[in-house]
Amino acid sequence: ETGVTQTPRHLVMGMTNKKSLKCEQHLGHNAMYWYKQSAKKPLELMFVYSLEERVENNSVPSRFSPECPNSSHLFLHLHTLQPEDSALYLCASSQQQGIAEAFFGQGTRLTVV
Amino acid sequence: EDKVVQSPLSLVVHEGDTVTLNCSYEVTNFRSLLWYKQEKKAPTFLFMLTSSGIEKKSGRLSSILDKKELFSILNITATQTGDSAVYLCAPQGPSGSRLTFGEGTQLTVNP
Repeated sequence: ETGVTQTPRHLVMGMTNKKSLKCEQHLGHNAMYWYKQSAKKPLELMFVYSLEERVENNSVPSRFSPECPNSSHLFLHLHTLQPEDSALYLCASSQQQGIAEAFFGQGTRLTVV
Repeated sequence: EDKVVQSPLSLVVHEGDTVTLNCSYEVTNFRSLLWYKQEKKAPTFLFMLTSSGIEKKSGRLSSILDKKELFSILNITATQTGDSAVYLCAPQGPSGSRLTFGEGTQLTVNP
C-alpha cells in the first residue's frame, strides 16, 4: 500500500450513467493528480490539483469533472462516457506540485458499456 | 512536444538473467527522470535521476542517466519472477510541470 486509496477498484457503467471515482491520501501531500492509462498507451495526465486548486487540465473532455474538496480527497465525476473511455484511472499524490516522486493508488478499472 | 521512447516494449527472460531497459527522451528544459515499476495497477517509485553519469542503486536494480545523449538505462541483475512487471520511464520538465510517461517495457521473468 502506498498511502493512496482509490475506490471503487472496478466499475462497469453504461453510457447514460453518472458515477464518481474517489481518491484519498493521508500522506500530508498538497498535490493530487488524475491519470488515465489505456491499453498499450502511456499514462496520460488528466488533471493536477495543488492545495485544492486545479492547476492543470490537459484538454480533457467535459464528461470528466474533477473535484478536490480538501487536500486529502480527490474525485472524478463521470457522466455520459463513451466506450473508448474504458481504461485504468490512477490517482497520485506528491508532497508539492512539481515534486517528481508521486505515490500512486491502485487505480479504478473502468469499463463503459 | 515532449517524447519518450522505451525499448524493448516487451522482454521475456529466465530467472538469473540480467536485463537492460532503455529510455530515450526529448523534453524541453529537462529537470529529472524517474523510473517506476508497475505490477498489476499502482506504479511504484524506483529511482529519480537528475545528474549525468551517476549510478543509482537499490539492491539488484541500478540506473544511470546520460543528459548529453538524452537517455537512461535501468539494469536488473539476477532477475527473479517477482521482477515481472511493466517498467515505466518518466522524464520531467521544469519545476511544476508534469511527468511524461513512456509506453513502458513489459518484463516477464520465467522460473
